[in-house]
Amino acid sequence: AQKITQTQPGMFVQEKEAVTLDCTYDTSDPSYGLFWYKQPSSGEMIFLIYQGSYDQQNATEGRYSLNFQKARKSANLVISASQLGDSAMYFCAMREGWDFGNEKLTFGTGTRLTIIP
Amino acid sequence: GAVVSQHPSRVICKSGTSVKIECRSLDFQATTMFWYRQFPKQSLMLMATSNEGSKATYEQGVEKDKFLINHASLTLSTLTVTSAHPEDSSFYICSARPDRGLNGYTFGSGTRLTVV
Repeated sequence: AQKITQTQPGMFVQEKEAVTLDCTYDTSDPSYGLFWYKQPSSGEMIFLIYQGSYDQQNATEGRYSLNFQKARKSANLVISASQLGDSAMYFCAMREGWDFGNEKLTFGTGTRLTIIP
Repeated sequence: GAVVSQHPSRVICKSGTSVKIECRSLDFQATTMFWYRQFPKQSLMLMATSNEGSKATYEQGVEKDKFLINHASLTLSTLTVTSAHPEDSSFYICSARPDRGLNGYTFGSGTRLTVV
């Protein structure tokens, strides 16, 4: 079974509009962490936002916010006021294992976001 | 912020030779580092977890004798692709999480390996 599922292989969004990228996850561990990364064509992985499983509030970082619905096991990324520079691959990832030697960061298949001028 | 330096960024080698890729945390210590492989237009697939001072933990299906990992210090992990073949051509990327403070993982800039 997939640990992280991103169901949108590609999205096209008009500049300045908000966009939501979907991510669902599967774990039996009560303690986990959820991440979103941006990968432009250069290949680097850029950290965007983090949500811990025990965090009460949804995480926000500038134009990025994470819509965390624990019961539904979803962690959607919301980008407000999209910009041309937001065009990239976006990956959702989950950390499991908090002891030395059993830590693991698993990635979803990604969503390619294209912002249209 | 935390910075991870990965070298080389690009390498072309002949079949049968070995290639070493370095992953270095510049301003933090990382007991654990991770090596990923990424095929074009696909996700990052975890190859192995590198632990300082102990043997790496390889994911199922990854040949440990082919992809040698050494984590000799708290700031350096290396991945050596031995006896490279064209099918080993890929984008390899490492990541590290600071032992203290941050929850986030910092990634190197990746290495594009082409075996000819």
